Amino acid sequence: LAKTTQPISMDSYEGQEVNITCSHNNIATNDYITWYQQFPSQGPRFIIQGYKTKVTNEVASLFIPADRKSSTLSLPRVSLSDTAVYYCLTPNSGGYQKVTFGTGTKLQVIP
Amino acid sequence: NAGVTQTPKFQVLKTGQSMTLQCAQDMNHEYMSWYRQDPGMGLRLIHYSVGAGITDQGEVPNGYNVSRSTTEDFPLRLLSAAPSQTSVYFCASRGQQETQYFGPGTRLLVL
Repeated sequence: LAKTTQPISMDSYEGQEVNITCSHNNIATNDYITWYQQFPSQGPRFIIQGYKTKVTNEVASLFIPADRKSSTLSLPRVSLSDTAVYYCLTPNSGGYQKVTFGTGTKLQVIP
Repeated sequence: NAGVTQTPKFQVLKTGQSMTLQCAQDMNHEYMSWYRQDPGMGLRLIHYSVGAGITDQGEVPNGYNVSRSTTEDFPLRLLSAAPSQTSVYFCASRGQQETQYFGPGTRLLVL
């Protein structure tokens, strides 16, 4: 059963780069790693997805080492509006059909 | 595209009452799902559907029913509401890989 582990919370000052690491020791060969962002009173929003090495989009970068047992979401120069909960997901034993969310990482950006 | 829409936004029920939470998507996604999120917690999967006429249980299905008669709609029914079902309910549909699109949520209070 694939399971992810990530820090419960993190604090960062505005303008800093924030790295949130997620461990997924039992990830299957064909599984993707997906990150979501959730603001209070809103549904989660897709941020980025990757399989290996590095993926970058306009919001974030995702670094995945060769063994794929962990991944790191990197948010460049965070602002107060990046305060949110960030979830790291991989498929569980039900594959992509039964995707479950953990408690995520609550990022608090400080002025 | 409206994406994923949910109604109502907020509902108060008395114990024992029944109701249906509505969810619709206009992205022609085959996969849809329902989650509940309790305060300070992650999302837990209630039911999901991989296409019209096909539904299955998630982590916490007890007390809830679903049906999928069309690709667009995936209603969630509470048969006999209980205070333990007080939560925020999110509907989602899935595009490529595991990229889920979430609705704005329905806040349910059961007295």
